[in-house]
Amino acid sequence: DIQMTQSPSSLSASIGDRVTIACRASQDISIYLAWYQLKPGKVPELLISAASTSQSGVPSRFSGSGSGTDFTLTISSLQPEDVATYYCQNYKGAPLTFGGGTKVEIK
Amino acid sequence: EVQLLESGGGLIQPGGSLRLSCIASGFTFNNYAMSWVRQAPGKGLEWVSAISARGDFTYYSDSVKGRFTISRDNSKNTLYLQMTGLRAGDTAVYHCAKFSRTVVVISPITHWGQGTLVAVSS
Repeated sequence: DIQMTQSPSSLSASIGDRVTIACRASQDISIYLAWYQLKPGKVPELLISAASTSQSGVPSRFSGSGSGTDFTLTISSLQPEDVATYYCQNYKGAPLTFGGGTKVEIK
Repeated sequence: EVQLLESGGGLIQPGGSLRLSCIASGFTFNNYAMSWVRQAPGKGLEWVSAISARGDFTYYSDSVKGRFTISRDNSKNTLYLQMTGLRAGDTAVYHCAKFSRTVVVISPITHWGQGTLVAVSS
């Protein structure tokens, strides 16, 4: 099975900061990587698919990059509404493993 | 608008069985693969099971294989998860989720339901 490792598990940053979250797959998953945002009391929202394709309606400050085993989600300028937990997910094949999550807070 | 409405959760004793349902609307149900994803209290997201659009391919995580069965009734726009041999570790909110394509692989999950809580305790 493919393991997904996210880092850091949590971070605290100031409004306007650039935030970077890393996700590493235990084997090559090409670009079959999605990023989700989960806010308390809400359903997960798909931000990025195919490693770098932003979904319609997602603010442009969110971007994804990477391929193979190493991926990154970047928030270019952190906003208060970005407080959430972010998950990466491999969807190259079953099992469709999630990373452990990164909790983003405002300093 | 895509809507996924789960039901069937509740408090169940260890070893018991439960069937979750998810009624879908706002899209052509038989054109999309579907999945169940759970989140235990204070924990992260865990993929549980998935099924192709026609129901001919099913997939399970190792943690539920042999105990859970995913199925769908395309005539009723409904997804199911039959859970047997429930354990305390199965306690979680179970979300129904829709893929972007007919197949499970190389297809991201695009929409999620609010979820239904399953609590396994004596």
